[in-house]
Amino acid sequence: QKEVEQDPGPLSVPEGAIVSLNCTYSNSAFQYFMWYRQYSRKGPELLMYTYSSGNKEDGRFTAQVDKSSKYISLFIRDSQPSDSATYLCAMITGGFKTIFGAGTRLFVKA
Amino acid sequence: DTGVSQDPRHKITKRGQNVTFRCDPISEHNRLYWYRQTLGQGPEFLTYFQNEAQLEKSRLLSDRFSAERPKGSFSTLEIQRTEQGDSAMYLCASSLGEGARSGANVLTFGAGSRLTVL
Repeated sequence: QKEVEQDPGPLSVPEGAIVSLNCTYSNSAFQYFMWYRQYSRKGPELLMYTYSSGNKEDGRFTAQVDKSSKYISLFIRDSQPSDSATYLCAMITGGFKTIFGAGTRLFVKA
Repeated sequence: DTGVSQDPRHKITKRGQNVTFRCDPISEHNRLYWYRQTLGQGPEFLTYFQNEAQLEKSRLLSDRFSAERPKGSFSTLEIQRTEQGDSAMYLCASSLGEGARSGANVLTFGAGSRLTVL
């Protein structure tokens, strides 16, 4: 079993839809949770960064962490075609090694 | 600051040849990481440097792989006697590494070096 599980999709939605992306994890020592976005032929770039449980909002993006269920989510409101990318969840215990999920490919249709 | 630079962007080689990738991190970042990413998968950790010291190597990094970071600046990743299974995107990332809580362990990635082994 992988430490971080993420549905690879693809997920296809119409422009303006609310998108929900999710990951589950098995290591209860994870304390820091990130979402990276990766466009085709590019390296991942950080979208959101959350410490421990709770919600964090940044514009159209909301990250949620539920440590009791070992479940994290990213919501995208009013999705745009420019949001089409692969979204990677990532976690770290507090040391140096970031563990990534497999990534979910998102397509937002105009 | 031009971000994390990787070179070459794409390398095509024949099985059995040696290849070397270079990474230039953000200048003030003291941590440097190499990850490997195959199609449909997330990045997998290979190795990590704090300044010039290589502090951890993944089991994925066989003895054909070697990484260096002389003087704590740029880093090179060499793959000897390449195999078709080595075909992947090799990503370099850097961070300030002063503690994850401050946000300083957030990774800044380069665009990657894509390796194709024929």
